[in-house]
Amino acid sequence: AQSVTQPDIHITVSEGASLELRCNYSYGATPYLFWYVQSPGQGLQLLLKYFSGDTLVQGIKGFEAEFKRSQSSFNLRKPSVHWSDAAEYFCAVKSGGYNKLIFGAGTRLAVHP
Amino acid sequence: SAVISQKPSRDICQRGTSLTIQCQVDSQVTMMFWYRQQPGQSLTLIATANQGSEATYESGFVIDKFPISRPNLTFSTLTVSNMSPEDSSIYLCSVVRDNEQFFGPGTRLTVL
Repeated sequence: AQSVTQPDIHITVSEGASLELRCNYSYGATPYLFWYVQSPGQGLQLLLKYFSGDTLVQGIKGFEAEFKRSQSSFNLRKPSVHWSDAAEYFCAVKSGGYNKLIFGAGTRLAVHP
Repeated sequence: SAVISQKPSRDICQRGTSLTIQCQVDSQVTMMFWYRQQPGQSLTLIATANQGSEATYESGFVIDKFPISRPNLTFSTLTVSNMSPEDSSIYLCSVVRDNEQFFGPGTRLTVL
């Protein structure tokens, strides 16, 4: 069965520090992968997605993610975190022919000034 | 992109009652999805709603508890029936466009 694992429930970083949020997936075929952000009281916003091609994808707000098939991972990175990045981050996977999204448990990011 | 609105944005309800949540999309879509996000949890798909056919429910969700309507290609409703405190969650409507899934702002439901 398809699944998504986000090993880190909660991460705290200092403003200006680099960030990496981990995501591992379990899926038989080539997955469609997504990262979403949910700010307090806000809806879900898509940060970036991977379908095929270049394994390093750029997203909004300065985020990027790298698809590594050998590690079944799709980690999210940002070189310098801003206080406004404090939010919940969800990794998700979708099968190619079916639009159901399977979400990870989420990682809550706190940013210290 | 897709612009999705939901009504109500939040509600507080008594146990045993029902609440109907509306979802409106800015243009026609084939499938609409309803997700639930329990407090402090991730999102779980409740059902997929196609226009003109019965909704398809995920394991653990049943039509009697979560009846869904899909009268046209831009609108859907989800009813949470015979509510209990365990139904307190955020309910989100979602659509797919150009292989990207968009979410509504959610309806925050509290059941007392």
